[in-house]
Amino acid sequence: AQKVTQAQTEISVVEKEDVTLDCVYETRDTTYYLFWYKQPPSGELVFLIRRNSFDEQNEISGRYSWNFQKSTSSFNFTITASQVVDSAVYFCALSEAAGAGGTSYGKLTFGQGTILTVHP
Amino acid sequence: EPEVTQTPSHQVTQMGQEVILRCVPISNHLYFYWYRQILGQKVEFLVSFYNNEISEKSEIFDDQFSVERPDGSNFTLKIRSTKLEDSAMYFCASKPGQFSPLHFGNGTRLTVT
Repeated sequence: AQKVTQAQTEISVVEKEDVTLDCVYETRDTTYYLFWYKQPPSGELVFLIRRNSFDEQNEISGRYSWNFQKSTSSFNFTITASQVVDSAVYFCALSEAAGAGGTSYGKLTFGQGTILTVHP
Repeated sequence: EPEVTQTPSHQVTQMGQEVILRCVPISNHLYFYWYRQILGQKVEFLVSFYNNEISEKSEIFDDQFSVERPDGSNFTLKIRSTKLEDSAMYFCASKPGQFSPLHFGNGTRLTVT
């Protein structure tokens, strides 16, 4: 069975600090997808990134970067120079590769989430 | 940018009542999902729907739940006889193709009293 663990329940930082959110996953599949979603106080789920299991290249998008290490089954997320607007719950999620009809790709297993609070 | 739209944003119902949560997926999307999030907990998969039928469902999605795509634009989740433990945020999601990421709606907060 798939499992996603976000060991950090809450993180509190001061604006401009860098912060890394940890994500460790378990799966028996050789092909899978990893995601990060942001849930701001308003409640919606905002897609941030997806990665497939064959692509271990790290990615940077503005202040956000992701470090995917298959050897340690981790997919960590770093926010550089954090801002108050980054305050949210961040979820890591895992999906097995497309099964019949391609819907398995949409069946996500979420971690418990990390509450990030950025203080001014 | 097109969005997945969910209505209502908040619904309060009494235990034992039936509720229908409504979603309008993005128009060219073919795959539809419901997820739920009990307050303070993680988001959980409920059901996926493709080609006018359920493709997969979780153990949470028991006989009191059903989904329907009645008219080609709406996608509904019905809870037949609500229980207190059904109180949660329910998210609808859709995607256009097999390898596309999910687009989530803003959620409907269901409160069962």
